[in-house]
Amino acid sequence: DAGVTQSPTHLIKTRGQHVTLRCSPISGHKSVSWYQQVLGQGPQFIFQYYEKEERGRGNFPDRFSARQFPNYSSELNVNALLLGDSALYLCASTAGGGVWFEAFFGQGTRLTVV
Amino acid sequence: TQLLEQSPQFLSIQEGENLTVYCNSSSVFSSLQWYRQEPGEGPVLLVTVVTGGEVKKLKRLTFQFGDARKDSSLHITAAQPGDTGLYLCAGGISNFGNEKLTFGTGTRLTIIP
Repeated sequence: DAGVTQSPTHLIKTRGQHVTLRCSPISGHKSVSWYQQVLGQGPQFIFQYYEKEERGRGNFPDRFSARQFPNYSSELNVNALLLGDSALYLCASTAGGGVWFEAFFGQGTRLTVV
Repeated sequence: TQLLEQSPQFLSIQEGENLTVYCNSSSVFSSLQWYRQEPGEGPVLLVTVVTGGEVKKLKRLTFQFGDARKDSSLHITAAQPGDTGLYLCAGGISNFGNEKLTFGTGTRLTIIP
């Protein structure tokens, strides 16, 4: 069975550009979350979507946006890229809606801003 | 703001030794998850503990959730070089479809053959 898939795996962008990262959740999972992991730190929560609605937003500027599609896949968009946006961006998939959850992560997208 | 403090941050021990990694918070979580992450890859889920006082074993790894669901520990018996990696604990909050993980800073474990 396919796990969480993310694309692209690596990306190099220039300051000021925008980027779109994509995520396909595990089949049957309805919730997708996005996390940013800077080198040497634990992942930080960016967004969570469940049933195509935004359910949570972390402490990130409005340059970060996301959406979830009817097939539960998701996109993370970042505008006006800064050097500090360089990080590993992780997508997590859960079944959603329970009193507790298990999150399964994709391999991540390594974004480098130059 | 929920914070998870993980200790130690770095640990280097000889093959065959035992070790314990701690994950502490002042917040209560619905669940506590442990992950292992290799460089440049996504975290891989090792275990999820849900009930206060719960203990789960995965071969040589033993995971415990504190009675108050605020802290957890990971104990590895007879460490092997294959255990080398970054171990992350993450506290989960779930509320009618709203889900969020708060991660610790991680423990980088090196097992010396």
